[in-house]
Order: sequence, then C-alpha cells, then structure tokens
Amino acid sequence: DTGVSQNPRHKITKRGQNVTFRCDPISEHNRLYWYRQTLGQGPEFLTYFQNEAQLEKSRLLSDRFSAERPKGSFSTLEIQRTEQGDSAMYLCASSFPGEDKQYFGPGTRLTVT
Amino acid sequence: DAKTTQPTSMDCAEGRAANLPCNHSTISGNEYVYWYRQIHSQGPQYIIHGLKNNETNEMASLIITEDRKSSTLILPHATLRDTAVYYCIAWNRDDKIIFGKGTRLHILP
Repeated sequence: DTGVSQNPRHKITKRGQNVTFRCDPISEHNRLYWYRQTLGQGPEFLTYFQNEAQLEKSRLLSDRFSAERPKGSFSTLEIQRTEQGDSAMYLCASSFPGEDKQYFGPGTRLTVT
Repeated sequence: DAKTTQPTSMDCAEGRAANLPCNHSTISGNEYVYWYRQIHSQGPQYIIHGLKNNETNEMASLIITEDRKSSTLILPHATLRDTAVYYCIAWNRDDKIIFGKGTRLHILP
C-alpha cells in the first residue's frame, strides 16, 4: 500500500507524559499537513509543511506541540506534558506538487488518562 | 468558522441517488468547492472538486449553481459502503482547509 501511513494507530498515555506520532506521506508529495479531530467534529488544521519548511501553524498548536519534517519526507508531531484535552484523533495528509487534493492517513488515536 | 453549511444528517435508500446539499453563500471568486468523506474510523477521502462548472468523476457528480452560492454532491447509485460523513469545503490553496461538521449520510438497505 503506497498511501499515507501513521504510527502508532493508537496511543494511551498518562497525563503529563510526552508522546510522539509519525507520519509517512505518499512518496514525492511535497506538502504535509497535520489535523486534530475530536468526537463529532470535523478535522481541525494544526500545521503544514512544504518540503522541510513549516509554513503555517494554527493557534491550536500550543507551545506543548511541535512538529518537524527534517528531510522533507516523514514528519513527527510531539506533544509534551499531555493533558486530557489532548485526547483526539491526529490525522496526517499529504499532497502532490501542483495538486490541491489531500490524501489522508488513517490517523493516530490518542487517549490521555 | 466553516464557510459552508450542510444538513446534519440525511438518509438515502440503497441503489437510489444520494443528493447532498451545501450552502456557501460567502464563497470567494478564487475558492473551489471541495467534497471529502470520512468513513467511520478512517481518514477523510477526497471525492471531487470544482470552481464553477459541473464536474463528474468515477465517484460522484458535483453541481454548482451559477451564482456559486450553493452546490450539490450526487452519488448516483448509493451503496451501504457510502455511509459516511460528507464534508463540503470552500477553499483556495493559499488558505488552510476548514472542515465543518459535515453531513452524516445513512444508506438504508
């Protein structure tokens, strides 16, 4: 399968712990996006990369959140000192140069206890 | 806030055409209308998009009114696998995508 992959698919952590999620976009897709989705809501934009450059960050992305895409391929999203309000599905998407439609991964479901 | 409004939920009989409406009365001239759907426990999936002309692909048809203030997504022969939340989005590439709550479509056997 050459789609967008995300790992892990599920993560349960205790409040205050740090977590890191990984996203592997479709090969040759230069744009990579992170979204957060809570129950009953549509996905909310967090941040996006064009190659390795992080071009936009939502104000939803507090100081506890950091995203990287060091070589312009895979990306990581880290949440420090997790809070119960961070419990959500974290979605990654990528798009091909010159094409605006986004291809989404299956998401990482985070539960903070 | 989302720039589009959609009904919260709709039902459609299996085998019939599902027509999903969307209002986007404040859409800008450079914004496209995009439709995505999200099947339970999966990431959203692109369906179709258009600017002002009607569009058709292997999944669906998109009908955009002449004034571009509303559109309709048509699934010509709905199956049980089309049960999902359908998101209508007004977007241009220089802005971030804003998803609303979408329409929860139930296909009835």
